[in-house]
Amino acid sequence: EAGVTQFPSHSVIEKGQTVTLRCDPISGHDNLYWYRRVMGKEIKFLLHFVKESKQDESGMPNNRFLAERTGGTYSTLKVQPAELEDSGVYFCASSQYTSGSRTAPGQFFGPGTRLTVL
Amino acid sequence: GQSLEQPSEVTAVEGAIVQINCTYQTSGFYGLSWYQQHDGGAPTFLSYNGLDGLEETGRFSSFLSRSDSYGYLLLQELQMKDSASYFCAVSLLIYNQGGKLIFGQGTELSVKP
Repeated sequence: EAGVTQFPSHSVIEKGQTVTLRCDPISGHDNLYWYRRVMGKEIKFLLHFVKESKQDESGMPNNRFLAERTGGTYSTLKVQPAELEDSGVYFCASSQYTSGSRTAPGQFFGPGTRLTVL
Repeated sequence: GQSLEQPSEVTAVEGAIVQINCTYQTSGFYGLSWYQQHDGGAPTFLSYNGLDGLEETGRFSSFLSRSDSYGYLLLQELQMKDSASYFCAVSLLIYNQGGKLIFGQGTELSVKP
């Protein structure tokens, strides 16, 4: 079974540019999450999709970040325009089970996209 | 706010036992998970405690005391490959926020020969 994949693995852009990150979850996983780790700090939640719907976007830092999950399969996270503080590693994770507002433990993480904004 | 505290680094020798503690202050606690991360790569799920007590998975065990807002990860028979970052993470019991994980800052474990 293929794991969670993310593209690109690295991205270096200049401040003010746009970047789009892609995540392909494990096939059949309804839940898809985006997290971010800024240098030296904890991994922070950004957004949770259940299928194509945004279940929780309480962690999105501002309206420069836009996440989509068309058709409930892969997801994209667009940063426009990028700022210096957006640099970090963006992780995507997926999990299979959901019941009401809770999900089963064990999220499967992708390898991350390392974003550097100069 | 939500916060988790764990030691920033721990060092131990091969074959030894090490315990990584995690205390948390969160609203709507549902469960405590542990993840392992090698060299900044994909965090890998290790174990989960939804109820008080000990969960054992091979060389790894995890413990939870909800009354103390405390848990730990116990690694036995340490091997060099166990050198990695270990994160505790809380799942919340809040409507529409039940899926997300709140992470600690991670504990860097170094295993020496």
